[in-house]
Parts: sequence; structure tokens; C-alpha cells
Amino acid sequence: DVKVTQSSRYLVKRTGEKVFLECVQDMDHENMFWYRQDPGLGLRLIYFSYDVKMKEKGDIPEGYSVSREKKERFSLILESASTNQTSMYLCASSLAGDRDTQYFGPGTRLTVL
Amino acid sequence: RKEVEQDPGPFNVPEGATVAFNCTYSNSASQSFFWYRQDCRKEPKLLMSVYSSGNEDGRFTAQLNRASQYISLLIRDSKLSDSATYLCVVNRPNDYKLSFGAGTTVTVRA
Repeated sequence: DVKVTQSSRYLVKRTGEKVFLECVQDMDHENMFWYRQDPGLGLRLIYFSYDVKMKEKGDIPEGYSVSREKKERFSLILESASTNQTSMYLCASSLAGDRDTQYFGPGTRLTVL
Repeated sequence: RKEVEQDPGPFNVPEGATVAFNCTYSNSASQSFFWYRQDCRKEPKLLMSVYSSGNEDGRFTAQLNRASQYISLLIRDSKLSDSATYLCVVNRPNDYKLSFGAGTTVTVRA
């Protein structure tokens, strides 16, 4: 069974803080994704990585950066958190040849005050 | 226009009932279609892929209508455990990423 874990289930930060969200997968997947999920908007892709040190912007990358130093770990960084970044953040992974079947982590609910 | 649109519901149905709902997609070049299921406060999980000819997985039937650009999900003999939000997911042929609908919520009552 694929397991995707995220470092925190709930996180509360203050405006302007630097925030790190960590994601680890144990199935040797090449692709990893960061999404945010907001009511009425569905999941929106923030960043995507298809290999170590490789990344691509998704649909809403502004205000975020990512790091993939090891294959199993994909980090999302909020350089200076803002209240409009309050959201559910979901990490996912998939095999190189199958971007469509994605396995999700449990999510991190981030609140920025 | 959103890439994938769904009726948010909720669809409230009694146990044993049949419930069906659709989603529409905007990109006629999309080739892959899926239903993901998301339980309350949990992560999305792949429920089933949707094939051109339609497909069944137990009590779940998915259909694709390319001409009208919609996919559907039908749940027969609903169980309490079917209560969830169902996400319609469509691939984006230009960049090989996925577009997610906002979800349709189904609540099955005893």
C-alpha cells in the first residue's frame, strides 16, 4: 500500500512567518504534487515535481516555493504567510508513467492569523 | 469557465436508494476521466476510472458522454458508508496534469 505522510495535520501560524510543510512517500514514486483545497474551488495545483531537484509551477504558485532534495520528500514553503493562504494543503505522489493515479496524504489544515 | 463543474449537492438519499450525478468538463481534448472519493476530513482516494464504453465496479457505474462533455456516476443500493464527497477529475492534455471538480456531496441516511 502506498503511504503518503504529511508532517502536521493542523498548523496555526502568524502573518509573515515562514512556514514549511513536509511530505514523505514510501513507494519510490517519481512524481509529487502539492495542492490546496478550498470550499467551492476544488483542488488547485501549486507545484509539481517529476524528479529530485526538478519542479514545475502549477496553477497557483504565487507566494509558495518547493524543495525536493530526496526522491521521497517534497516540501512546500510559504516564504511569508498571509491570511489568504489559510487552507487545506494536500500532498500527492504518483508513478512516472501514471500521473493520473495519484495517492494523497492526509492533508495539513493551515490557519494563518 | 471552470475546467470541471459539479453540482455540489448535497444529495440526501435513504439506504438502498439509487443516486446519480454528473459533472461537465470544458476541454474537449481531455482523454482521461476519474472519480475520486473524499470522506469527511480525509484525503481523496481514487474510486474508479471512467472509460468510453462505460464501466461498473460493484454498485458503482460510471459513464462518459464525449459529445456533451460530461461524465456521470451512479450508485445503486446505497450504503451508509457511501456518504462522502465525490470528486470529478479530468486530465489536461496540454500539460498532463489533472483538473479537479469541487465535489458532489452524498449523504446516505438510515
